[in-house]
Amino acid sequence: GQNIDQPTEMTATEGAIVQINCTYQTSGFNGLFWYQQHAGEAPTFLSYNVLDGLEEKGRFSSFLSRSKGYSYLLLKELQMKDSASYLCAVMDSNYQLIWGAGTKLIIKP
Amino acid sequence: IAGITQAPTSQILAAGRRMTLRCTQDMRHNAMYWYRQDLGLGLRLIHYSNTAGTTGKGEVPDGYSVSRANTDDFPLTLASAVPSQTSVYFCASSDSGTNTGELFFGEGSRLTVL
Repeated sequence: GQNIDQPTEMTATEGAIVQINCTYQTSGFNGLFWYQQHAGEAPTFLSYNVLDGLEEKGRFSSFLSRSKGYSYLLLKELQMKDSASYLCAVMDSNYQLIWGAGTKLIIKP
Repeated sequence: IAGITQAPTSQILAAGRRMTLRCTQDMRHNAMYWYRQDLGLGLRLIHYSNTAGTTGKGEVPDGYSVSRANTDDFPLTLASAVPSQTSVYFCASSDSGTNTGELFFGEGSRLTVL
């Protein structure tokens, strides 16, 4: 079956760096997405990786290793507003998105 | 309207009742989706539509139906609601059903079936 694994919850300190990991096993691969979802709100797009390597976008970076079925989202200079759930999703060979359950990130002052 | 609008934002419904969740987008995206989100689970696809006039079943389609009469609207109907359909429902769209375009989500509809 298809599976996306990510930690349920993480805690980090304001101003610090945090890395949220995502491992996947899917039928084919057509890209990996990261979304941010604040409590009670809709998910919003953060990043997309289809080739191996690091994609940087401001304080957020996303890394992909297709051979390892692995990605991470790196958040730098954490701010209180970064407290949210971070959803990893993989597009399979049928171009359907398979979603992880999300990682709830708690930022402490 | 800007983006995707869902209605209602919240609803309590008696089991056995029929309910339609509305979704309208103004971005002229050809692909639209309905997901449900439950605690501890990833978003699960209920139904999708790659273009107006066509629909497809997702991972959890049973008990739900959709229609896509035009580009902008994609309503989701629960013919006879059951408590297991208590969830938060998100409508989403993208500019293509088969490329790597990002999804744009509505604000969600919180449905409670008693």
